[in-house]
Amino acid sequence: QSALTQPASVSGSPGQSITISCTGTSSDVGGYNHVSWYQQRPGEAPKLMIYEVSDRPSGVSSRFSGSTSGNTASLTISGLQAEDEADYYCSSYSSSSTLVFGGGTKLTVL
Amino acid sequence: QITLKESGPTLVKPTQTLTLTCSFSGFSLSTRGVGVGWIRQPPVKALEWLGIIYWDDDKRYSPSLKSRLTITKDTSKNQVVLIMTNMDPVDSGTYYCAHRVGLAVFDYWGQGTLVTVSS
Repeated sequence: QSALTQPASVSGSPGQSITISCTGTSSDVGGYNHVSWYQQRPGEAPKLMIYEVSDRPSGVSSRFSGSTSGNTASLTISGLQAEDEADYYCSSYSSSSTLVFGGGTKLTVL
Repeated sequence: QITLKESGPTLVKPTQTLTLTCSFSGFSLSTRGVGVGWIRQPPVKALEWLGIIYWDDDKRYSPSLKSRLTITKDTSKNQVVLIMTNMDPVDSGTYYCAHRVGLAVFDYWGQGTLVTVSS
């Protein structure tokens, strides 16, 4: 069970859109529609932003959206804002009823 | 309102056993479908899923750590306990417990507790 692969960093200017990828295998991302995304600011606990690939919890901005294609999940943030600067982690349900996280992506708002 | 809070030692010696307690409120671990998971994060590194315990006492562990982990629950006390044996400095980091809703979804997290492994 290896960690899901995410780019180490992405950046964008305010107002732009960015996409963070999360690549796994057919045993996790590609095999189940159970991908979540978490936002983590320095010194804070992770916050759920997307679950079940594309659903948003109550209170999460509609600027955040998720999707999958094959073994890769994606998180898109549109209308980038300074407050979006944080680390983002994907996670997926995996075989044997376990769970795996991605390596994390640092989003910088220029 | 769901809240969770981790507690336990901040410093353990190599080879010792770590015992952390997750105390929660706002839900019952005897309710069908409920689970509490453990996740850790070494300093400046990624999140790592450790394991989970469900309302029916089913437990799942990270394959790479399975031999060292035990998760138990005390429903009457609203607590979940994580036991990790043979601690090593690489096990240092922040340990979180979280409320599970649906498969692989943690919607509420504790504030985390920092554990340092050092002699």
